[in-house]
Amino acid sequence: DGGITQSPKYLFRKEGQNVTLSCEQNLNHDAMYWYRQDPGQGLRLIYYSQIVNDFQKGDIAEGYSVSREKKESFPLTVTSAQKNPTAFYLCASSIYLSGTSSYNEQFFGPGTRLTVL
Amino acid sequence: QKEVEQDPGPLSVPEGAIVSLNCTYSNSAFQYFMWYRQYSRKGPELLMYTYSSGNKEDGRFTAQVDKSSKYISLFIRDSQPSDSATYLCAIFTGANSKLTFGKGITLSVRP
Repeated sequence: DGGITQSPKYLFRKEGQNVTLSCEQNLNHDAMYWYRQDPGQGLRLIYYSQIVNDFQKGDIAEGYSVSREKKESFPLTVTSAQKNPTAFYLCASSIYLSGTSSYNEQFFGPGTRLTVL
Repeated sequence: QKEVEQDPGPLSVPEGAIVSLNCTYSNSAFQYFMWYRQYSRKGPELLMYTYSSGNKEDGRFTAQVDKSSKYISLFIRDSQPSDSATYLCAIFTGANSKLTFGKGITLSVRP
């Protein structure tokens, strides 16, 4: 059963604590992405990775960190430096063909809702 | 000016109505135009995408792109309660392989 899994579905943390959100895919996709969604807002790109051991900042990377040690995994750490971390976090993946400008569908996981108390 | 602007919501219509959802964009370099549907507390799923001006139809859904006006629309015919969801327009440019999303509009179809 192929797809993207995110865990946990709901996460509560105290202010000032770092927290790591899990994202795993078994679609054999090269590219993975992290988005943040706030009420009434679209998805905003935090980080993305097109290949193992490489990643780039998105539009709102401050206060977040990622790693890409394995093709199937792209964990996101929300650090204490993120001023407003309460949000719905979505992970996505897609195939990646370097040197082309074609669109490759991004498949999304079910999301993790993080609440910082 | 934001790169992608989407008509604000929410939108509530009776079952069977025709729904029109609209977005505008500012960057003429954008190449692909998508509509995602997101049910409550779920991840978005791709509904339709197109890369050229004109209409693309899939069942009750029609995606329309007007590149000269930088305007994209999604039409839903014979709307059903199961269409109740948030609809997000998204635009892709191959230059940086990034998707840029509109804010989304929440649609409610009343039985």
